[in-house]
Amino acid sequence: AQSVTQLGSHVSVSEGALVLLRCNYSSSVPPYLFWYVQYPNQGLQLLLKYTSAATLVKGINGFEAEFKKSETSFHLTKPSAHMSDAAEYFCAVSDEGGTASKLTFGTGTRLQVTL
Amino acid sequence: NAGVMQNPRHLVRRRGQEARLRCSPMKGHSHVYWYRQLPEEGLKFMVYLQKENIIDESGMPKERFSAEFPKEGPSILRIQQVVRGDSAAYFCASSPPSFYNEQFFGPGTRLTVL
Repeated sequence: AQSVTQLGSHVSVSEGALVLLRCNYSSSVPPYLFWYVQYPNQGLQLLLKYTSAATLVKGINGFEAEFKKSETSFHLTKPSAHMSDAAEYFCAVSDEGGTASKLTFGTGTRLQVTL
Repeated sequence: NAGVMQNPRHLVRRRGQEARLRCSPMKGHSHVYWYRQLPEEGLKFMVYLQKENIIDESGMPKERFSAEFPKEGPSILRIQQVVRGDSAAYFCASSPPSFYNEQFFGPGTRLTVL
């Protein structure tokens, strides 16, 4: 069974500081990995995805994530936080091309950006 | 290209009533997924459907919940005899047939059971 662990349910950073949101996964098959962002009372928006190509993945809004198989990690980073980045972030894993293409989500990390 | 559409956005039901949630996938998408988000929790998979077929319903509660995706029209998630514990946000996602792991989410339906 697949699972995702997001360390830190709440992360607070100052505007302009580095953003680091942690995600570790467990999968018995090569995974597809995703980061989604959810703004209050809205649906999920895809930030970026890893699909077994390049291990460093660049997404929207200046975010990127690095797939590290040896650490089973897919941490999300952004060099400089902006107030508009305040939201909830979800890491998710899926089977690589399997029929069981459901996404398994982590419990989320709420990012707060302060002045 | 319009995104995934869900309606209603907000639904209030009294205990024992039925709730019907609708989802129209993006144009060209033939795969639909339903997820439930309880307060302060992540999304939990419920069911995966293709047109006229349920592919994976491993996350669906055994009773009171059902889903369909007919040949014509939106996908429907139906909850019979709702209870307070059904209060949650229900999200629908769709994906194209060529890459069904890339899922696009709708804005959700927030169900409140009084």
